[in-house]
Amino acid sequence: NAGVTQTPKFQVLKTGQSMTLQCAQDMNHNSMYWYRQDPGMGLRLIYYSASEGTTDKGEVPNGYNVSRLNKREFSLRLESAAPSQTSVYFCANQRSNTEAFFGQGTRLTVV
Amino acid sequence: GENVEQHPSTLSVQEGDSAVIKCTYSDSASNYFPWYKQELGKRPQLIIDIRSNVGEKKDQRIAVTLNKTAKHFSLHITETQPEDSAVYFCAADSGGYQKVTFGTGTKLQVIP
Repeated sequence: NAGVTQTPKFQVLKTGQSMTLQCAQDMNHNSMYWYRQDPGMGLRLIYYSASEGTTDKGEVPNGYNVSRLNKREFSLRLESAAPSQTSVYFCANQRSNTEAFFGQGTRLTVV
Repeated sequence: GENVEQHPSTLSVQEGDSAVIKCTYSDSASNYFPWYKQELGKRPQLIIDIRSNVGEKKDQRIAVTLNKTAKHFSLHITETQPEDSAVYFCAADSGGYQKVTFGTGTKLQVIP
């Protein structure tokens, strides 16, 4: 029972490159989230998905796209990476009104 | 939508003293209030939570209080230890849109 699994754990991109961060859960929870956390800062919501096939923008969606093709997976795509997107990215899941579970995080550096 | 404010942003206490972190929320429909601890380089993890039908909950040295009328809730850590040093996040969840809203975090430093 892995909970929430993110890949990769570390990534270095050049400005303008694209990449997809993968997140998978084995907990069968409806809600999934993508957050970014800059050094010394809090969690800022990028996108969330209340159920399979639905996604909604969070606080900082610009420069990102997401895909929730099935209940298990929620991916985050950076189409053209910028240095401002250097951050730690966390995927999380939740069943309504219960604990949220976080993945181990992806440390992304854009140079 | 929900707005959660958290204070203070940083807090330093001597080992053995108590620490209190406060949060306010805006959506009266919120009914679930978790607290997460994030150690350096790690993921946030739940340490305690409270539901709207309860005013206080304790788990060893940690307690949370909720005042629904005033829309605020607090985390209390007694007899602090160096391993309590971390960033703490409060959150509020109305359950309606299945979206939990986090506070901005409090960096707690326990000085030995």
